[in-house]
Amino acid sequence: VQLVQSGAEVKTPGASVKVSCKAFEYNFVSYVLHWVRQVPGQRLQWVGWINPDNDNKKYSEKFQGRVTLSRDTTANTVYMELSGLTSADTAVYFCARVARTTMVVDGLDVWGQGTMVTVSS
Amino acid sequence: QSVLAQPASVSGSPGQSVTISCTGTDSDVGKYNLVSWYQQHPGTAPKLIIYKTTERPSGISNRFSGSKSGNTASLTISGLQSEDDADYYCSSYAGGSTLVFGGGTFLTVL
Repeated sequence: VQLVQSGAEVKTPGASVKVSCKAFEYNFVSYVLHWVRQVPGQRLQWVGWINPDNDNKKYSEKFQGRVTLSRDTTANTVYMELSGLTSADTAVYFCARVARTTMVVDGLDVWGQGTMVTVSS
Repeated sequence: QSVLAQPASVSGSPGQSVTISCTGTDSDVGKYNLVSWYQQHPGTAPKLIIYKTTERPSGISNRFSGSKSGNTASLTISGLQSEDDADYYCSSYAGGSTLVFGGGTFLTVL
């Protein structure tokens, strides 16, 4: 069981970034996937979640309006797109799976390796 | 969603026990038994060590235990080992299908 994320990105201020997270060796539609970011040296921040089964989503108020989560069930992949990038968005972005199939918000037991997004002019 | 309060750092000697607190409100930690704890070593993804406030995932040592009293959850690590030297984060369900994390605690094994 693993989640594999796309590679590092470098973006200019004002641009958008789209990060992918591909699931392996489990039933993709059975587990909600969350996105969490971590500015270097700082705490974990919750971004939002998507249910790959029914495409339901929930976003953190902090990112509402700038973040879009999507999924492709044929590719066992979820995506996080963040727009209006500023230097404050420079961070590692993780996808992570809930521990139990019946839960939308739960402990996150399988994590992707993280994707570094750097915003710089 | 506000941040759950954790001490910035704690320390202990090998073999000792340490407890890390995670203080929220009666809208998150105090209301739901859905607190999780994560261990994170530098440059790696967080690792789930406690979920549902007191449950350990398969493969996690019984040296790690979780508890809760009121609006404060706690992680206790007994028999400290050098590999426990890491950052620890709590999280809690915060209602409305949202999740909130703590500020993180750095554990130093002396």
